[in-house]
Amino acid sequence: NAGVMQNPRHLVRRRGQEARLRCSPMKGHSHVYWYRQLPEEGLKFMVYLQKENIIDESGMPKERFSAEFPKEGPSILRIQQVVRGDSAAYFCASSPVQGGRDSPLHFGNGTRLTVT
Amino acid sequence: KNQVEQSPQSLIILEGKNCTLQCNYTVSPFSNLRWYKQDTGRGPVSLTIMTFSENTKSNGRYTATLDADTKQSSLHITASQLSDSASYICVVSALGFGGGADGLTFGKGTHLIIQP
Repeated sequence: NAGVMQNPRHLVRRRGQEARLRCSPMKGHSHVYWYRQLPEEGLKFMVYLQKENIIDESGMPKERFSAEFPKEGPSILRIQQVVRGDSAAYFCASSPVQGGRDSPLHFGNGTRLTVT
Repeated sequence: KNQVEQSPQSLIILEGKNCTLQCNYTVSPFSNLRWYKQDTGRGPVSLTIMTFSENTKSNGRYTATLDADTKQSSLHITASQLSDSASYICVVSALGFGGGADGLTFGKGTHLIIQP
């Protein structure tokens, strides 16, 4: 019973390149959340998606960042023209019900993005 | 503004000793409070979830308490083991999505080191 799968685990990009982070939720989960974590900082909400729908992207920068969760396949967090400040750990979490308020979120092990 | 403050920021104890981690929050209206354990390089894993009416909840050697009146929670670890070395994150859930679309406000965590 696989958990939330994220890949790659580590990603190195030069400034100006594109980064694509993938997340496959737990089986049966249709809600996906993306978070960013900087060293010594708490997890920061970025975006909440359901299949083929972005429910809320209020935590995601308006430029260069986008996310999708297609009908088939993993959720993708895409960062265009990366800058050094994008270096962070990006975590994906999934839940079977809306909002995650009453059920634990299941987290993947993250993708560590390093921008050189 | 919804906030979650954790203390201490870091803690070092000897294997076999007990310890208590603190969490104060100002999230309102309150829905539930969660403690997560995050091993280095991994995603957070849920330890406990407590609702307004619950004062204490245990998960093995982990015992969480909640005082909804003073808006404080603690996580007590008994007979610590080397594998307890991790960051412990307090997360408070608000009704009506007070902390991002996921309704969650994350603390920055307490970094616990167990020494042999």
